Amino acid sequence: DADVTQTPRNRITKTGKRIMLECSQTKGHDRMYWYRQDPGLGLRLIYYSFDVKDINKGEISDGYSVSRQAQAKFSLSLESAIPNQTALYFCATSDPSRGAGETLETQYFGPGTRLLVL
Amino acid sequence: QKEVEQDPGPLSVPEGAIVSLNCTYSNSAFQYFMWYRQYSRKGPELLMYTYSSGNKEDGRFTAQVDKSSKYISLFIRDSQPSDSATYLCATTSGAGKSTFGDGTTLTVKP
Repeated sequence: DADVTQTPRNRITKTGKRIMLECSQTKGHDRMYWYRQDPGLGLRLIYYSFDVKDINKGEISDGYSVSRQAQAKFSLSLESAIPNQTALYFCATSDPSRGAGETLETQYFGPGTRLLVL
Repeated sequence: QKEVEQDPGPLSVPEGAIVSLNCTYSNSAFQYFMWYRQYSRKGPELLMYTYSSGNKEDGRFTAQVDKSSKYISLFIRDSQPSDSATYLCATTSGAGKSTFGDGTTLTVKP
Protein backbone atom coordinates (compact mmCIF):
# COMPACT_ATOMS: atom_id res chain seq x y z
CA ASP A 1 0.00 0.00 0.00
CA ALA A 2 2.88 2.42 0.65
CA ASP A 3 3.61 2.60 -3.09
CA VAL A 4 0.13 4.02 -3.73
CA THR A 5 -1.00 6.71 -1.31
CA GLN A 6 -4.35 8.44 -1.03
CA THR A 7 -5.27 11.64 0.75
CA PRO A 8 -7.32 12.26 2.74
CA ARG A 9 -7.98 8.87 4.33
CA ASN A 10 -11.29 10.05 5.74
CA ARG A 11 -13.46 12.99 4.76
CA ILE A 12 -16.83 14.31 5.86
CA THR A 13 -18.43 16.94 3.67
CA LYS A 14 -21.82 18.50 3.06
CA THR A 15 -24.14 18.22 0.10
CA GLY A 16 -23.18 20.65 -2.65
CA LYS A 17 -19.54 21.03 -1.66
CA ARG A 18 -16.72 20.45 -4.10
CA ILE A 19 -14.06 18.05 -2.90
CA MET A 20 -10.92 16.49 -4.31
CA LEU A 21 -9.40 13.14 -3.52
CA GLU A 22 -5.76 12.73 -4.38
CA CYS A 23 -3.69 9.74 -5.37
CA SER A 24 0.08 9.49 -5.71
CA GLN A 25 2.19 6.51 -6.71
CA THR A 26 5.88 5.73 -6.63
CA LYS A 27 5.62 2.55 -8.70
CA GLY A 28 6.36 4.32 -11.97
CA HIS A 29 3.23 2.90 -13.58
CA ASP A 30 1.55 4.63 -16.51
CA ARG A 31 -1.95 3.35 -15.81
CA MET A 32 -4.09 4.66 -12.97
CA TYR A 33 -7.68 4.04 -11.93
CA TRP A 34 -10.35 5.35 -9.58
CA TYR A 35 -12.92 2.97 -8.10
CA ARG A 36 -15.66 3.30 -5.55
CA GLN A 37 -16.72 0.48 -3.26
CA ASP A 38 -20.17 0.23 -1.73
CA PRO A 39 -21.53 -2.53 0.49
CA GLY A 40 -23.12 -5.19 -1.71
CA LEU A 41 -22.01 -3.50 -4.93
CA GLY A 42 -18.34 -4.36 -5.04
CA LEU A 43 -15.77 -2.23 -6.83
CA ARG A 44 -16.99 -0.05 -9.67
CA LEU A 45 -14.73 1.82 -12.06
CA ILE A 46 -15.19 5.60 -12.15
CA TYR A 47 -12.36 6.80 -14.42
CA TYR A 48 -9.10 5.45 -15.71
CA SER A 49 -6.02 6.87 -17.39
CA PHE A 50 -3.51 4.90 -19.43
CA ASP A 51 -1.03 7.77 -19.61
CA VAL A 52 -0.82 11.46 -18.77
CA LYS A 53 -2.73 12.54 -21.88
CA ASP A 54 -5.32 9.79 -21.74
CA ILE A 55 -8.50 9.97 -19.64
CA ASN A 56 -11.42 7.57 -19.99
CA LYS A 57 -14.79 7.23 -18.33
CA GLY A 58 -15.60 4.09 -16.43
CA GLU A 59 -19.02 2.64 -15.72
CA ILE A 60 -20.10 5.29 -13.18
CA SER A 61 -18.44 8.60 -14.15
CA ASP A 62 -21.49 10.88 -13.75
CA GLY A 63 -20.91 13.44 -10.99
CA TYR A 64 -17.14 12.92 -11.02
CA SER A 65 -14.19 14.41 -12.86
CA VAL A 66 -10.49 13.58 -12.83
CA SER A 67 -7.17 15.19 -13.51
CA ARG A 68 -3.91 13.44 -14.35
CA GLN A 69 -1.37 16.03 -13.27
CA ALA A 70 1.66 13.82 -13.83
CA GLN A 71 2.51 10.18 -14.29
CA ALA A 72 2.50 9.81 -10.53
CA LYS A 73 -0.62 11.81 -9.67
CA PHE A 74 -4.28 11.22 -10.44
CA SER A 75 -6.96 13.17 -8.60
CA LEU A 76 -10.70 12.63 -8.41
CA SER A 77 -13.13 15.52 -7.92
CA LEU A 78 -16.74 15.62 -6.87
CA GLU A 79 -17.98 18.91 -8.27
CA SER A 80 -21.11 19.05 -6.12
CA ALA A 81 -21.19 16.22 -3.63
CA ILE A 82 -24.44 14.37 -2.95
CA PRO A 83 -25.24 11.81 -0.21
CA ASN A 84 -25.27 8.81 -2.58
CA GLN A 85 -21.59 9.49 -3.28
CA THR A 86 -20.88 8.33 0.24
CA ALA A 87 -18.55 5.39 -0.31
CA LEU A 88 -15.03 4.06 -0.02
CA TYR A 89 -12.84 5.30 -2.88
CA PHE A 90 -9.78 3.47 -4.14
CA CYS A 91 -7.02 4.50 -6.47
CA ALA A 92 -5.08 1.79 -8.30
CA THR A 93 -2.17 1.53 -10.72
CA SER A 94 -0.97 -1.05 -13.22
CA ASP A 95 1.93 -1.54 -15.61
CA PRO A 96 1.16 -2.74 -19.16
CA SER A 97 4.73 -3.91 -19.68
CA ARG A 98 4.08 -6.58 -17.07
CA GLY A 99 1.12 -8.17 -18.77
CA ALA A 100 1.34 -10.31 -21.88
CA GLY A 101 0.13 -13.78 -22.70
CA GLU A 102 -0.18 -15.68 -19.47
CA THR A 103 1.25 -12.85 -17.35
CA LEU A 104 -1.39 -10.64 -15.79
CA GLU A 105 -1.20 -6.86 -15.69
CA THR A 106 -1.71 -6.65 -11.94
CA GLN A 107 -3.49 -3.73 -10.32
CA TYR A 108 -2.09 -2.27 -7.10
CA PHE A 109 -4.52 -0.50 -4.83
CA GLY A 110 -4.09 2.35 -2.38
CA PRO A 111 -5.48 2.20 1.16
CA GLY A 112 -8.71 3.98 0.27
CA THR A 113 -10.51 7.19 1.19
CA ARG A 114 -13.67 6.90 3.26
CA LEU A 115 -16.04 9.68 2.19
CA LEU A 116 -19.24 10.68 3.95
CA VAL A 117 -21.53 13.22 2.32
CA LEU A 118 -24.11 14.67 4.69
CA GLN B 1 -27.13 -8.61 -15.68
CA LYS B 2 -23.78 -7.97 -14.08
CA GLU B 3 -20.75 -9.32 -15.91
CA VAL B 4 -19.42 -10.97 -12.76
CA GLU B 5 -21.71 -12.43 -10.11
CA GLN B 6 -20.30 -13.56 -6.79
CA ASP B 7 -21.90 -15.65 -4.06
CA PRO B 8 -22.72 -12.94 -1.51
CA GLY B 9 -21.98 -14.52 1.84
CA PRO B 10 -21.08 -13.66 4.52
CA LEU B 11 -19.39 -16.91 5.32
CA SER B 12 -18.37 -18.05 8.79
CA VAL B 13 -16.38 -21.25 9.30
CA PRO B 14 -14.37 -22.89 12.09
CA GLU B 15 -10.61 -22.92 11.91
CA GLY B 16 -9.33 -25.79 9.77
CA ALA B 17 -12.40 -25.92 7.51
CA ILE B 18 -12.24 -26.03 3.73
CA VAL B 19 -13.70 -22.88 2.24
CA SER B 20 -15.21 -22.58 -1.22
CA LEU B 21 -15.79 -19.16 -2.77
CA ASN B 22 -17.55 -18.93 -6.12
CA CYS B 23 -18.31 -16.59 -8.99
CA THR B 24 -19.84 -16.75 -12.44
CA TYR B 25 -19.11 -14.47 -15.37
CA SER B 26 -20.84 -13.74 -18.65
CA ASN B 27 -18.24 -12.38 -21.09
CA SER B 28 -16.46 -15.08 -23.09
CA ALA B 29 -13.66 -12.61 -23.93
CA PHE B 30 -12.33 -12.71 -20.38
CA GLN B 31 -9.06 -14.61 -20.18
CA TYR B 32 -7.69 -13.77 -16.76
CA PHE B 33 -9.49 -14.73 -13.60
CA MET B 34 -8.30 -13.21 -10.36
CA TRP B 35 -8.94 -13.37 -6.68
CA TYR B 36 -8.24 -10.34 -4.54
CA ARG B 37 -8.16 -10.35 -0.75
CA GLN B 38 -9.18 -7.26 1.16
CA TYR B 39 -8.57 -6.90 4.86
CA SER B 40 -10.63 -4.46 6.87
CA ARG B 41 -9.65 -0.84 6.21
CA LYS B 42 -7.20 -1.84 3.49
CA GLY B 43 -7.18 -1.83 -0.29
CA PRO B 44 -7.65 -5.07 -2.24
CA GLU B 45 -4.50 -7.06 -2.93
CA LEU B 46 -4.10 -9.67 -5.64
CA LEU B 47 -4.06 -13.13 -4.08
CA MET B 48 -3.74 -15.26 -7.21
CA TYR B 49 -4.89 -15.54 -10.78
CA THR B 50 -5.35 -18.08 -13.52
CA TYR B 51 -5.06 -17.64 -17.24
CA SER B 52 -7.78 -19.38 -19.25
CA SER B 53 -9.17 -22.63 -17.86
CA GLY B 54 -7.73 -24.96 -15.27
CA ASN B 55 -6.44 -25.01 -11.73
CA LYS B 56 -3.68 -23.12 -10.00
CA GLU B 57 -2.42 -23.94 -6.55
CA ASP B 58 -0.50 -21.71 -4.15
CA GLY B 59 -0.01 -23.17 -0.72
CA ARG B 60 -3.41 -23.59 0.92
CA PHE B 61 -5.17 -21.75 -1.91
CA THR B 62 -6.45 -23.24 -5.17
CA ALA B 63 -8.06 -21.20 -7.94
CA GLN B 64 -10.19 -23.03 -10.45
CA VAL B 65 -11.74 -21.82 -13.70
CA ASP B 66 -14.20 -23.67 -15.90
CA LYS B 67 -14.63 -21.62 -19.05
CA SER B 68 -17.28 -23.95 -20.46
CA SER B 69 -19.61 -23.08 -17.59
CA LYS B 70 -18.09 -19.63 -16.92
CA TYR B 71 -17.49 -20.57 -13.30
CA ILE B 72 -14.67 -19.36 -11.03
CA SER B 73 -13.81 -20.84 -7.65
CA LEU B 74 -11.32 -20.28 -4.87
CA PHE B 75 -10.69 -23.05 -2.35
CA ILE B 76 -8.92 -22.47 0.94
CA ARG B 77 -7.68 -25.54 2.77
CA ASP B 78 -7.01 -25.63 6.50
CA SER B 79 -8.48 -22.16 6.91
CA GLN B 80 -6.90 -19.90 9.51
CA PRO B 81 -8.23 -16.87 11.43
CA SER B 82 -5.75 -14.78 9.41
CA ASP B 83 -7.73 -15.72 6.29
CA SER B 84 -10.65 -13.65 7.59
CA ALA B 85 -11.17 -10.97 4.95
CA THR B 86 -13.35 -10.04 2.01
CA TYR B 87 -12.52 -11.96 -1.15
CA LEU B 88 -13.29 -10.44 -4.53
CA CYS B 89 -13.25 -12.32 -7.78
CA ALA B 90 -12.39 -10.35 -10.90
CA THR B 91 -11.93 -10.91 -14.58
CA THR B 92 -10.24 -9.07 -17.40
CA SER B 93 -9.47 -9.51 -21.05
CA GLY B 94 -5.93 -8.40 -20.19
CA ALA B 95 -5.80 -4.69 -21.04
CA GLY B 96 -5.66 -3.28 -17.52
CA LYS B 97 -9.36 -2.80 -16.80
CA SER B 98 -10.91 -5.38 -14.53
CA THR B 99 -14.49 -6.27 -13.67
CA PHE B 100 -15.07 -7.20 -10.04
CA GLY B 101 -17.59 -9.28 -8.19
CA ASP B 102 -19.28 -7.80 -5.14
CA GLY B 103 -17.09 -9.69 -2.67
CA THR B 104 -17.65 -12.39 -0.06
CA THR B 105 -16.74 -11.68 3.54
CA LEU B 106 -15.16 -14.67 5.23
CA THR B 107 -14.73 -15.11 8.97
CA VAL B 108 -12.66 -18.00 10.27
CA LYS B 109 -13.33 -18.60 13.94
CA PRO B 110 -10.57 -20.02 16.17
